[in-house]
Amino acid sequence: SQTIHQWPATLVQPVGSPLSLECTVEGTSNPNLYWYRQAAGRGLQLLFYSVGIGQISSEVPQNLSASRPQDRQFILSSKKLLLSDSGFYLCAWSVKAFGYTFGSGTRLTVV
Amino acid sequence: TQLLEQSPQFLSIQEGENLTVYCNSSSVFSSLQWYRQEPGEGPVLLVTVVTGGEVKKLKRLTFQFGDARKDSSLHITAAQPGDTGLYLCAGRSGGSSNTGKLIFGQGTTLQVKP
Repeated sequence: SQTIHQWPATLVQPVGSPLSLECTVEGTSNPNLYWYRQAAGRGLQLLFYSVGIGQISSEVPQNLSASRPQDRQFILSSKKLLLSDSGFYLCAWSVKAFGYTFGSGTRLTVV
Repeated sequence: TQLLEQSPQFLSIQEGENLTVYCNSSSVFSSLQWYRQEPGEGPVLLVTVVTGGEVKKLKRLTFQFGDARKDSSLHITAAQPGDTGLYLCAGRSGGSSNTGKLIFGQGTTLQVKP
């Protein structure tokens, strides 16, 4: 069966520090991968998506970047965090037109 | 830019009541999905509707896709406290069949009081 792992679950980082959030998928090949950010109790904003290794598309200009070094690994990074980067980050995968499977999310607080 | 507007944003009802959540857009979607999310967790897919006018039932939940594929509704019959959560609709345009990108509504927070 397919599973998705996202870590860490919570993270508190000082302003200006780097960030690395990792997401891995098991049980499927060549998935589409996504990073979303969610404000409290609200909808999801698409940050990045990837249809293959090394292929990254950015949806909104921001202080973050993403990479896909392996087929089932998706990484969200920042060189210097801003206060506005705080939020709930969700990784998801899908195969073409099927629904998303989300990870359990990372609560990032920048202080 | 395609947008999905959900209403109401917040809903607080008593156990046993019925409710309907709406998801509207001026754009046509090739498919529309509904997710339910609990605090601190990722959203979980409830249903996907594809055909205009389609109706799907999942126990006490009834999902409908508008004839023109621009809107959808979620109706819950005899709500229970376990239905509490954030409900999200998400649409996929025909042009995103390869990328699989979804556009999410802003969500409806449902609280069912015992």
